Amino acid sequence: DADVTQTPRNRITKTGKRIMLECSQTKGHDRMYWYRQDPGLGLRLIYYSFDVKDINKGEISDGYSVSRQAQAKFSLSLESAIPNQTALYFCATSEPTSGSGDEQFFGPGTRLTVL
Amino acid sequence: SQKIEQNSEALNIQEGKTATLTCNYTNYSPAYLQWYRQDPGRGPVFLLLIRENEKEKRKERLKVTFDTTLKQSLFHITASQPADSATYLCALEADSSYKLIFGSGTRLLVRP
Repeated sequence: DADVTQTPRNRITKTGKRIMLECSQTKGHDRMYWYRQDPGLGLRLIYYSFDVKDINKGEISDGYSVSRQAQAKFSLSLESAIPNQTALYFCATSEPTSGSGDEQFFGPGTRLTVL
Repeated sequence: SQKIEQNSEALNIQEGKTATLTCNYTNYSPAYLQWYRQDPGRGPVFLLLIRENEKEKRKERLKVTFDTTLKQSLFHITASQPADSATYLCALEADSSYKLIFGSGTRLLVRP
């Protein structure tokens, strides 16, 4: 079974709708991240959480919100979806190691299309 | 402004040759840099990490160099194989916060 899972894998929705993307992990990691990927722009950080009580904005948080329901679950919401939020969304986890440099483990992604 | 740049043009090489991918950055002083592989429709997969005090890191057919003076990392795949065809992303630590900033990736195509 995959260590980091995302649901749904694909979603088509309309402008103005509220959408929730869910991420679950079985790695036991404290740190979780949400990214979006657009062609030619690479991965951009939306929100991140270093433990259940910690939520931080990333580079492009406007229009998004998150909820860390448990160590294993981190959800991303689009309160009112707009077409320029059409993108590939990835969840990732990591575990701090001594010093810096923890690698990140990514889920399979959710392809979101906002019409 | 801060930038991390990878060649947006695909690299097309013959099987058996060495592939060399470049990652340049400006206005960052990262403690480390990471390289990931991404296949179409999948999430990135971690390959290697190199710290600022390391010049070179190897793992099987992979080699990464890190020149903090040039602000550049080179990623080499020796004896390349068609199965190495993928997009390769570099990522660096932004500000001692464990957050990563990713480049847009370079697509590698290895011809049989």
